[in-house]
Amino acid sequence: DIQMTQSPSTLSASVGDRVTITCRASQSVSNWLAWYQQKPGQAPNLLIYKASSLHSGVPSRFSGSGSGTEFTLTISSLQPDDSATYYCQQYNSYSTWTFGQGTKVEI
Amino acid sequence: EEQVVESGGGLIQPGGSLRLSCAASGFTVNTNYMAWVRQAPGKGLEWVSVIYPGGYMYYTDSVKGRFTISRDNSKNTLYLQMNNLRAEDTAVYYCARDTGRRRGVDVWGQGTTVTVSS
Repeated sequence: DIQMTQSPSTLSASVGDRVTITCRASQSVSNWLAWYQQKPGQAPNLLIYKASSLHSGVPSRFSGSGSGTEFTLTISSLQPDDSATYYCQQYNSYSTWTFGQGTKVEI
Repeated sequence: EEQVVESGGGLIQPGGSLRLSCAASGFTVNTNYMAWVRQAPGKGLEWVSVIYPGGYMYYTDSVKGRFTISRDNSKNTLYLQMNNLRAEDTAVYYCARDTGRRRGVDVWGQGTTVTVSS
């Protein structure tokens, strides 16, 4: 099974900072990688799909890049509303979905 | 608006059974990849099971033989039958939709809580 590893586990930054989260796959997932934001007590929300495509309605300060085994999620200018936990997910195969362990972003 | 609403969670003793339901609106469950994803208290997201539009079903190893995913097309509802429940199954269970167009999971329910405890 494909394993997904995120780093860091926790990140503290200030409003306006540029923030980068990394997600590594144990084997290539091509560009079938999504990013989700989850706030406490809420369901996850899709931010990025196919590694770099912005989901409808998601602010443009969010961006994704990468392919194969290494991916990044970047928040270009951190906002107070971005305080949340972020998860990557590979969907190279629909028979097994795998999430990263999450990165908590504190402001 | 496309949405799903889960129900059926609750407190259950170890070894017991529970059936979760996920009622969809705004789209049809049988033309999408429908999945259950759970989140144990204070932990990350864990994929549990998925059912393909064609009916293929897949499960994470820890629930194989105990959980069964199914759907009722006439009710446009997804189910998760959970048998022989264990303490480690305690989690919020989310119903989720992937269109299969490789655009990620774009519809999530609010979740239903399952607590396995004596």
